[in-house]
Amino acid sequence: KQEVTQIPAALSVPEGENLVLNCSFTDSAIYNLQWFRQDPGKGLTSLLLIQSSQREQTSGRLNASLDKSSGRSTLYIAASQPGDSATYLCAVETGGGNKLTFGTGTQLKVEL
Amino acid sequence: DTGVSQDPRHKITKRGQNVTFRCDPISEHNRLYWYRQTLGQGPEFLTYFQNEAQLEKSRLLSDRFSAERPKGSFSTLEIQRTEQGDSAMYLCASSLEPLRTDTQYFGPGTRLTVL
Repeated sequence: KQEVTQIPAALSVPEGENLVLNCSFTDSAIYNLQWFRQDPGKGLTSLLLIQSSQREQTSGRLNASLDKSSGRSTLYIAASQPGDSATYLCAVETGGGNKLTFGTGTQLKVEL
Repeated sequence: DTGVSQDPRHKITKRGQNVTFRCDPISEHNRLYWYRQTLGQGPEFLTYFQNEAQLEKSRLLSDRFSAERPKGSFSTLEIQRTEQGDSAMYLCASSLEPLRTDTQYFGPGTRLTVL
């Protein structure tokens, strides 16, 4: 059974700081890995999707890397802003059906 | 707005009552997923449809839960005889398959509170 772990569970940083969120998964036979953002009481917004054959994806200030063999991914956020405050969820797609297995998330707070 | 919509956004019910939630996916998407998210946890997969066929159900989906997608468009999730443990956010997502290069698009969720 696929299990996804995210570290740290919570993180508070001052505005402008660069930061790294970590995700690990137990079964390396994945189709892709995705990072989502969730604001309090809201649905999920996709940030980045990395195919299993890819090593990284970039979007603006966000960069996600994938090391499938070691079962790890990182989300790098450059020059953090208060608007980045949210919960960040990592999810992997394994097996058929395209269903996602999520981690428990990292709750990020960026302070002025 | 052509995103995924869910109705209602919030539902408060008493234990033992039945509730039904609706999800309208992005119109051209043939896959529709239901997830459940409890406080402080990531979403957990419940079930998914390809067009009108329900192809997989999680063991989390007890006999009290039933989902339908009768015409391959909108979907409903019904919970019978609700229990306090059913309190959660119920999320719906849709995608266009068989592309594995695309993400699932999530709706805003229905927050259920069982008193």
